[in-house]
Amino acid sequence: KNEVEQSPQNLTAQEGEFITINCSYSVGISALHWLQQHPGGGIVSLFMLSSGKKKHGRLIATINIQEKHSSLHITASHPRDSAVYICAVRGQGAQKLVFGQGTRLTINP
Amino acid sequence: EADIYQTPRYLVIGTGKKITLECSQTMGHDKMYWYQQDPGMELHLIHYSYGVNSTEKGDLSSESTVSRIRTEHFPLTLESARPSHTSQYLCASSDHDGFFSGYTFGSGTRLTVV
Repeated sequence: KNEVEQSPQNLTAQEGEFITINCSYSVGISALHWLQQHPGGGIVSLFMLSSGKKKHGRLIATINIQEKHSSLHITASHPRDSAVYICAVRGQGAQKLVFGQGTRLTINP
Repeated sequence: EADIYQTPRYLVIGTGKKITLECSQTMGHDKMYWYQQDPGMELHLIHYSYGVNSTEKGDLSSESTVSRIRTEHFPLTLESARPSHTSQYLCASSDHDGFFSGYTFGSGTRLTVV
């Protein structure tokens, strides 16, 4: 079992829908990152969380430390949101990130 | 505008050739990383550096080597490329393990060894 599990692995939705991507992890962490990878391969860092909730535009990320769970929400989804969304955690005292397998999101017009 | 640059973006090369993938960042980050990613799979750390003259192997065994002679430059070298090295290689950097500024990733180098 991976230390970081994402669900769903694939998600297809219509433009305008509210999207939720989940990330569960099994170790104590010092920080959790949400990343976005477009088909060209480049990765953009969306959020870094250690508690609570963060919002940037139509993106919202939440984390529940006790439940070892984080969610990434996209409101009013748009085809340009189509990408792979990756959850990554840094364990307490660890130096490196551990990555989830990613969620492939496709938003149809 | 990217603050971390990887070249080349795509590379097709024959078996046995020596190749160097370049990675440079302009943010003054101490920490730099190389990740390998096969299609549809998660990223795996193959090398990292916490500063000049500091390099460590990552979690995934790799036949590549790295060097860190300057803060801004972290090249990855394969002495003799093989088809099994075909993959995407992503370079990243961070300040304080990404605690303050997060991680910045390059656009990646997609390597094909024929």
